[in-house]
Amino acid sequence: AQKVTQAQTEISVVEKEDVTLDCVYETRDTTYYLFWYKQPPSGELVFLIRRNSFDEQNEISGRYSWNFQKSTSSFNFTITASQVVDSAVYFCALTETSGSRLTFGEGTQLTVNP
Amino acid sequence: NAGVTQTPKFRVLKTGQSMTLLCAQDMNHEYMYWYRQDPGMGLRLIHYSVGEGTTAKGEVPDGYNVSRLKKQNFLLGLESAAPSQTSVYFCASRGGSTRPPTGELFFGEGSRLTVL
Repeated sequence: AQKVTQAQTEISVVEKEDVTLDCVYETRDTTYYLFWYKQPPSGELVFLIRRNSFDEQNEISGRYSWNFQKSTSSFNFTITASQVVDSAVYFCALTETSGSRLTFGEGTQLTVNP
Repeated sequence: NAGVTQTPKFRVLKTGQSMTLLCAQDMNHEYMYWYRQDPGMGLRLIHYSVGEGTTAKGEVPDGYNVSRLKKQNFLLGLESAAPSQTSVYFCASRGGSTRPPTGELFFGEGSRLTVL
């Protein structure tokens, strides 16, 4: 069965600090997809990124970057030079190509203080 | 383009009452999902549907029923509400050319349900 673990329940940083959110997953499939979603205080769920298991290249999008390491079953998310607007709950998720479900981690509450 | 729409946005029920949450999507997606979100527990899958007329159980299906009579709609019902069902409920849909699809989920804005 697939499982996603986000061990960091809450993280608090000061603006402009870099912060990394950890995500560890378990799956028996060789082909799968990983996702990150952001949930700001307004409550909606915002899609950030999707990666497949065959693409281990790190990805950068502005201040956001993702480090996918198959050897450690991790898909970590780094925010560089954090801003107050980055304050949100961030969810990591996994879908196996053999199934229909998207399984979410417990989420990490990130607070960026001015 | 509305995307995924949930109604109602807020509801307060008394224990034992019944209600239905409606989810509508206008993206012609085959797959639809109902999740509940509770503090510290992330999003947990209640039920899902892989097409019109089909439904399947997720991780936490007890106390809920669903129906997918039309492709664009996915209803979540509580027959006899309990305080443990106090939660925020999210509907989502998913499309794509593969079966099953592997793209991202598109979420509604959520429905906050309180059971007293």
